[in-house]
Amino acid sequence: DADVTQTPRNRITKTGKRIMLECSQTKGHDRMYWYRQDPGLGLRLIYYSFDVKDINKGEISDGYSVSRQAQAKFSLSLESAIPNQTALYFCATSDFAGSQPQHFGDGTRLSIL
Amino acid sequence: RKEVEQDPGPFNVPEGATVAFNCTYSNSASQSFFWYRQDCRKEPKLLMSVYSSGNEDGRFTAQLNRASQYISLLIRDSKLSDSATYLCVVNKVPGGTSYGKLTFGQGTILTVHP
Repeated sequence: DADVTQTPRNRITKTGKRIMLECSQTKGHDRMYWYRQDPGLGLRLIYYSFDVKDINKGEISDGYSVSRQAQAKFSLSLESAIPNQTALYFCATSDFAGSQPQHFGDGTRLSIL
Repeated sequence: RKEVEQDPGPFNVPEGATVAFNCTYSNSASQSFFWYRQDCRKEPKLLMSVYSSGNEDGRFTAQLNRASQYISLLIRDSKLSDSATYLCVVNKVPGGTSYGKLTFGQGTILTVHP
């Protein structure tokens, strides 16, 4: 089983719909992250959490919200999806300090029509 | 200026070639550096960390030059399976705390052909 699991793997939906992407991990890491990846723009950080009671905005948090339900679970929500949120979304985890590398889930390919 | 800049390539090299990628970063307080590899439509995977003294892992050698704020990755004896996008990743330490966020470069595309 994968250490970092994202669901769903693919999703097609319509503008205005509420969408939740889920991430769970078995690595026991405290830190979890959500990124989106667009062609030519690389990976951009949406939100991150350093423990269950900690939520921080990344560089592109507008239009997104997150919930850290437990150490192992970090979900990303799009309250009212818009087409420019079509992207590949990755969840990642890391152990305590920023000096540690991050481990990524398989990604969720989201298309908003 | 972008925080982490890479030559996007693409680099097209024959099998057996040696290829080098460079990356520059803007935050002199950056403390940790990594190279990730990403295959098409797949998740990024850690290739290697980059240490101040330079480090080698098989055919891959990473170098760090703090004075010039750049990182390099050298791949020797390229294989077809090395074809991927290589991401330069830099730790940012805001406010001097022990917390850090990673900043990713846009990636350098490598294609190794027979």
